[in-house]
Amino acid sequence: DAGVIQSPRHEVTEMGQEVTLRCKPISGHDYLFWYRQTMMRGLELLIYFNNNVPIDDSGMPEDRFSAKMPNASFSTLKIQPSEPRDSAVYFCASRGRGTGGSPLHFGNGTRLTVT
Amino acid sequence: AQKVTQAQTEISVVEKEDVTLDCVYETRDTTYYLFWYKQPPSGELVFLIRRNSFDEQNEISGRYSWNFQKSTSSFNFTITASQVVDSAVYFCALSEARGNNRLAFGKGNQVVVIP
Repeated sequence: DAGVIQSPRHEVTEMGQEVTLRCKPISGHDYLFWYRQTMMRGLELLIYFNNNVPIDDSGMPEDRFSAKMPNASFSTLKIQPSEPRDSAVYFCASRGRGTGGSPLHFGNGTRLTVT
Repeated sequence: AQKVTQAQTEISVVEKEDVTLDCVYETRDTTYYLFWYKQPPSGELVFLIRRNSFDEQNEISGRYSWNFQKSTSSFNFTITASQVVDSAVYFCALSEARGNNRLAFGKGNQVVVIP
């Protein structure tokens, strides 16, 4: 099993540019989550999908952030335009079916730096 | 709303000492799940253990053990005979069965094992 795959591992961009983060969940997993990690706020849930449908996006900080899951094996998180305060590590995670008792399996994260 | 508190920020121990990490949680749900994750310096998040609210039996798995007490809403985690490779940030997390699958994380405990 390849695990959750995220790309790129590192992204450095200038303020105002569009950033797209990518995620491939574990095959067969029905749930996909996007988290953001910063020193100040810790790990925050941004959005999650069930069977490719966005279920809860209340954690998305503002309209500059958007996420899609066009099929069961791919998801993107887009920031447009990016700002320095978006600098963080963004994690994608997936899990199988269940009521929340199944553990999340995380990717290695994308470290985003916006200058 | 669910909440997880890890009061200790950084803990330093000498190799071979035991280290216990405290976790206190808040939830209104009667069915919930508690987790511990490890984040080593390389940055990935690794699932360690899970407990559901109906099972207060404490267990030992290798050098890891945990103490789940519903009466005090605590889910403490102990590493026995610590090793340098245990140096990492450890996160306690809570998922409610009716909480739309959100996994809420504590702020984390930075464990430093000194050789």
